[in-house]
Amino acid sequence: DSGVTQTPKHLITATGQRVTLRCSPRSGDLSVYWYQQSLDQGLQFLIQYYNGEERAKGNILERFSAQQFPDLHSELNLSSLELGDSALYFCASSVYQGRGETQYFGPGTRLLVL
Amino acid sequence: ILNVEQSPQSLHVQEGDSTNFTCSFPSSNFYALHWYRWETAKSPEALFVMTLNGDEKKKGRISATLNTKEGYSYLYIKGSQPEDSATYLCAFSYSGAGSYQLTFGKGTKLSVIP
Repeated sequence: DSGVTQTPKHLITATGQRVTLRCSPRSGDLSVYWYQQSLDQGLQFLIQYYNGEERAKGNILERFSAQQFPDLHSELNLSSLELGDSALYFCASSVYQGRGETQYFGPGTRLLVL
Repeated sequence: ILNVEQSPQSLHVQEGDSTNFTCSFPSSNFYALHWYRWETAKSPEALFVMTLNGDEKKKGRISATLNTKEGYSYLYIKGSQPEDSATYLCAFSYSGAGSYQLTFGKGTKLSVIP
């Protein structure tokens, strides 16, 4: 158990809908990263927050947004969902955002868009 | 696009065999190289983080080496056990990204046959 929690574990929804994925980092970790694992793809970085502020964006679609709250939990909002958004979404956390820091991964949310 | 290549894609070994996998990454602007162990339906588990050329890390029967000049890392498992069956992911971070987000390979899937 990494100490990172994600809810829900599974989510089934329809195209065009909007969902929110939630991540609680390990106690004391300030940095949260979101990654997407699609079929036949490696984990792809989406976005990073550090102590409430957005720090970096990766391959995140404009339909997706995220935020990190004062209690350091983070939410990833996915809107106007398409079939291709079906994937496993992970969040990871680290204490700070240092070069050699380990990122600890949550169990993921599996999203299925029908 | 910066790619991380892992080989082989999959591997079947007999219990007790030793094995190794390769991770290749761009050698320029290197920050860190991470290895994770990922069992189905679980979180990717951090194994090692290495930042310096020549780094060697060990955890039980698993060890890893790093060559940043030529852009590769090896992961070794000595005396494989069935519980070592998992997908092993490597990921690297680099200075051009603006953050320490990880770029992942697609993994090496190890199956240890009892």
